[in-house]
Amino acid sequence: NAGVTQTPKFQVLKTGQSMTLQCAQDMNHEYMSWYRQDPGMGLRLIHYSVGAGITDQGEVPNGYNVSRSTTEDFPLRLLSAAPSQTSVYFCASSYGEGTYEQYFGPGTRLTVT
Amino acid sequence: GENVEQHPSTLSVQEGDSAVIKCTYSDSASNYFPWYKQELGKRPQLIIDIRSNVGEKKDQRIAVTLNKTAKHFSLHITETQPEDSAVYFCAASSARQLTFGSGTQLTVLP
Repeated sequence: NAGVTQTPKFQVLKTGQSMTLQCAQDMNHEYMSWYRQDPGMGLRLIHYSVGAGITDQGEVPNGYNVSRSTTEDFPLRLLSAAPSQTSVYFCASSYGEGTYEQYFGPGTRLTVT
Repeated sequence: GENVEQHPSTLSVQEGDSAVIKCTYSDSASNYFPWYKQELGKRPQLIIDIRSNVGEKKDQRIAVTLNKTAKHFSLHITETQPEDSAVYFCAASSARQLTFGSGTQLTVLP
């Protein structure tokens, strides 16, 4: 099993550009989530999904969109990139909701100039 | 929503000594408390977790204690080794959302 995979590993965007961060898992997990990690601030939840067709907002959802059309994939869209979105983004999946072990992907390092 | 505070932000210990990291949480409904370890440039990985019906859990050199009344939980690492050097995150969850602390950079000095 590949576990949780993310693409790309690195990305540089100009302010105002849009892009999609890809996330996929092959563990048949129902719960998937996106976090951003900034120095000194831990991991903050952006959006999460409890199953195909169901998504909800986390702590810091502004400027991001998600959709979940299949169990395996959970892409994160940046609508109009801003320098404040420079961060490392981690996708995670788990068997159940927030009370189960989260399996993290390798991360995407995004820089917005 | 839930708020998790973690202390200290940095911790240096001599190899072989013990390390303790403490967290407090605000939502009394939280019932799941995991600890993640993140090595430089890598993804976070679960090292131990505890649920609210248990006061203490051990796994070899790692232990976690939970005080529900005071709303705090702690990670204890005994006989520290250089490979224990990493950032450690605590977290708390009551249902769908996992809220993380800000992290502790642990350095084990040889």
